Amino acid sequence: DAGVTQSPTHLIKTRGQQVTLRCSPKSGHDTVSWYQQALGQGPQFIFQYYEEEERQRGNFPDRFSGHQFPNYSSELNVNALLLGDSALYLCASSLRTNFYGYTFGSGTRLTVV
Amino acid sequence: SQQGEEDPQALSIQEGENATMNCSYKTSINNLQWYRQNSGRGLVHLILIRSNEREKHSGRLRVTLDTSKKSSSLLITASRAADTASYFCAISGIQGAQKLVFGQGTRLTINP
Repeated sequence: DAGVTQSPTHLIKTRGQQVTLRCSPKSGHDTVSWYQQALGQGPQFIFQYYEEEERQRGNFPDRFSGHQFPNYSSELNVNALLLGDSALYLCASSLRTNFYGYTFGSGTRLTVV
Repeated sequence: SQQGEEDPQALSIQEGENATMNCSYKTSINNLQWYRQNSGRGLVHLILIRSNEREKHSGRLRVTLDTSKKSSSLLITASRAADTASYFCAISGIQGAQKLVFGQGTRLTINP
């Protein structure tokens, strides 16, 4: 039973560029959440997708957007990258109707130069 | 803020000793969870304790929750070198039960 898969594992981008991160949830899970974790900090909630719609959103600007596909996989897009966007981006999946906690992926390390 | 705050920020103990980490929060919760993170990679879910529960066990882990004091503790008994990691508490509020608010974590080091 595959866990949460994220790609790519590492990424280097230049300020102003756009980036797309991808996530495949654990088999059987229908909800995907994205978190940003700066070095030495706890993860910060970006947003959550269920039934292909954004259901909740954290305190992140509109430069951060996402999508969920019919197979429950998800993308996180960040436009106009800033140096401060450098972080570990974590995808977490869960089951909407029976929540026992998240299953996290290993993350994508984004470096903006 | 709902944010959980862990205490201590760092803890170093000898292998075989018990490790206790604490978490405090400010709002009413739906549940509280503990996660472990090794070397800045993905988080691993350890235990979820609901607001109407006071204590839960999982192997060498014991979690307590005191909603009157808005605090929780994670006890790891008979620690092992492999327990070296960062431990985070995460709270799930009344609104939006699946949105977790994480604290800054406790960095636990187990010395052989």
